[in-house]
Amino acid sequence: EQLVESGGGLVQPGGSLRLSCAASGFTFSIYDMHWVRQPTGKGLEWVSGIGAAGDPFYPGSLKGRFSIFRENAKNSLYLQMNSLRAGDTAVYYCAREIRNGGGAFDIWGQGTMVTVSS
Amino acid sequence: SYELTQPPSVSVSPGQTANITCSGNNLGDKYVCWYQQKPGQSPVLVIYQDKKRPSGIPERFSGSNSGNTATLTISGTQAVDEADYYCQAWDSSTGGFGGGTRLTVL
Repeated sequence: EQLVESGGGLVQPGGSLRLSCAASGFTFSIYDMHWVRQPTGKGLEWVSGIGAAGDPFYPGSLKGRFSIFRENAKNSLYLQMNSLRAGDTAVYYCAREIRNGGGAFDIWGQGTMVTVSS
Repeated sequence: SYELTQPPSVSVSPGQTANITCSGNNLGDKYVCWYQQKPGQSPVLVIYQDKKRPSGIPERFSGSNSGNTATLTISGTQAVDEADYYCQAWDSSTGGFGGGTRLTVL
């Protein structure tokens, strides 16, 4: 059971970036999935989640700029990030939510670094 | 996001019990989970649904949740337990993490 993120990099303020997360070793389509970010030296922040049926949800602070979606046929999760700001600089992790587990994430990827800077 | 408060740091001697708290409004009405994160590594789930341990997590890790406070307890703390610990809970469909607690094993 593994998650591998990709797509991070350096982007200018106001730019866009799409992150990908490839799942393997489990039935991806039946799990809710999430993105969590962590600025260097700081704590974790939940970024977005998507249900097994494809219903997305976001914190109010990020709604409108970030968009989460999934392609179950490709065992893949994505995060489209627009209008990026310096404050979005962080390691971005994808994570699997335990089924009927009270919202806990049992599998995490290794993370992909996003740097927003001119 | 749902606001959760943790102490920035906790220190414990090897073999002693460490208690890390997490506070939030009516937290006892929600499920809390806990993650351990070591430098340069991804978080690892150590407790979910307040007190359940995932497979592979040592029995010395336990959890409780009541009122406005959840507690992660590490009994017989070992040097290998030195790490950052984060609590997490959900309010409606909004997730929140505590700010994290650095556990130092002196």
